[in-house]
Amino acid sequence: EDQVTQSPEALRLQEGESSSLNCSYTVSGLRGLFWYRQDPGKGPEFLFTLYSAGEEKEKERLKATLTKKESFLHITAPKPEDSATYLCAVPLSGSARQLTFGSGTQLTVLP
Amino acid sequence: DGGITQSPKYLFRKEGQNVTLSCEQNLNHDAMYWYRQDPGQGLRLIYYSQIVNDFQKGDIAEGYSVSREKKESFPLTVTSAQKNPTAFYLCASSISREGEQFFGPGTRLTVL
Repeated sequence: EDQVTQSPEALRLQEGESSSLNCSYTVSGLRGLFWYRQDPGKGPEFLFTLYSAGEEKEKERLKATLTKKESFLHITAPKPEDSATYLCAVPLSGSARQLTFGSGTQLTVLP
Repeated sequence: DGGITQSPKYLFRKEGQNVTLSCEQNLNHDAMYWYRQDPGQGLRLIYYSQIVNDFQKGDIAEGYSVSREKKESFPLTVTSAQKNPTAFYLCASSISREGEQFFGPGTRLTVL
């Protein structure tokens, strides 16, 4: 069964304290892994798509990486405005359009 | 500006009533989706549509209905048969076969 697991469920960092969020997946024939940011009471905002092991994408203080079994979202020198829930998702096996989402990591960056 | 709009932002319903949530997109995307989000849980797919006049059930379709008469619009009706309708509802659309989906701002439905 396709599954996406994110860890930790919650993470509190001091401003400037770098860390990583994890997204592990079990899908046959990965056709992309997606990262989203969601602020409270709002819809998820698309961040990155990764397609193959070894691929990396960067946006400001965020860098996403991909291996054959998991993806990491690295946050370098975070600021309070980076506080949000980060979601990852993968397409279901046999479907290029249906996504399976993880439960998310709630990140809080303290000033 | 291209994007996805959902209305209303907040919706209150009495038990036994049907309500319809609106979703419109001007991104020229073929596929549209409805998700439900509950606290502490990931997004769960209710219905999706890949083309006009066609849609498929997702993982939790019971108690919901949809229509896709226009490419731009994908309304969701929450019927009285849905036993726990209080949740945050998200609409999304995509164009690429790679599956990137873009989300609207959401509608929070509360059953009184």
